[in-house]
Amino acid sequence: GQNIDQPTEMTATEGAIVQINCTYQTSGFNGLFWYQQHAGEAPTFLSYNVLDGLEEKGRFSSFLSRSKGYSYLLLKELQMKDSASYLCAVRAGDYKLSFGAGTTVTVRA
Amino acid sequence: GAVVSQHPSWVICKSGTSVKIECRSLDFQATTMFWYRQFPKQSLMLMATSNEGSKATYEQGVEKDKFLINHASLTLSTLTVTSAHPEDSSFYICSAAGEREFGEQFFGPGTRLTVL
Repeated sequence: GQNIDQPTEMTATEGAIVQINCTYQTSGFNGLFWYQQHAGEAPTFLSYNVLDGLEEKGRFSSFLSRSKGYSYLLLKELQMKDSASYLCAVRAGDYKLSFGAGTTVTVRA
Repeated sequence: GAVVSQHPSWVICKSGTSVKIECRSLDFQATTMFWYRQFPKQSLMLMATSNEGSKATYEQGVEKDKFLINHASLTLSTLTVTSAHPEDSSFYICSAAGEREFGEQFFGPGTRLTVL
């Protein structure tokens, strides 16, 4: 299986930047995903990394280092609606995903 | 595109009864569907993987006779919780994966099951 670690909680101010780190140990690595999940709702896809480097998508960016088993999700210009849980998920093989426990981000005015 | 629906969105049932949850991919053909459960403030735990027309593959510790999965078509999978008990109360989420750029999974809105 995969060991996926991410911080439990983070708090930031509206308009600020927050970085959520994720470390993993896996065999057969085939991509890392970040999902956003609001309370009581299903996760929504944010980003995907399979090669080393930074992927930027609007206010969200995700970084991957395969040699270090490390990724981060960067949220810029935080908005109140960004308050949610952010899940790091690692794919090994074709489709199967293993999820971290999630990081709850609270954005304060 | 890539919309996945689940029905019902919530259900309350008595202990000992069975509950069926449907998962549909509305605008794409899902070669593979997944069933997860999530307890409060915990992450998603994969229960089983199902491919259309074949038996589901269950994760270790998941009872296949209790959680019956049927993947009858490329757009529909069902999960039946048989003889439900209070400890089965949870948030059940399905996802579907098709021929997409990243092979990402698209999640349904989830079903909140409460067993009394």
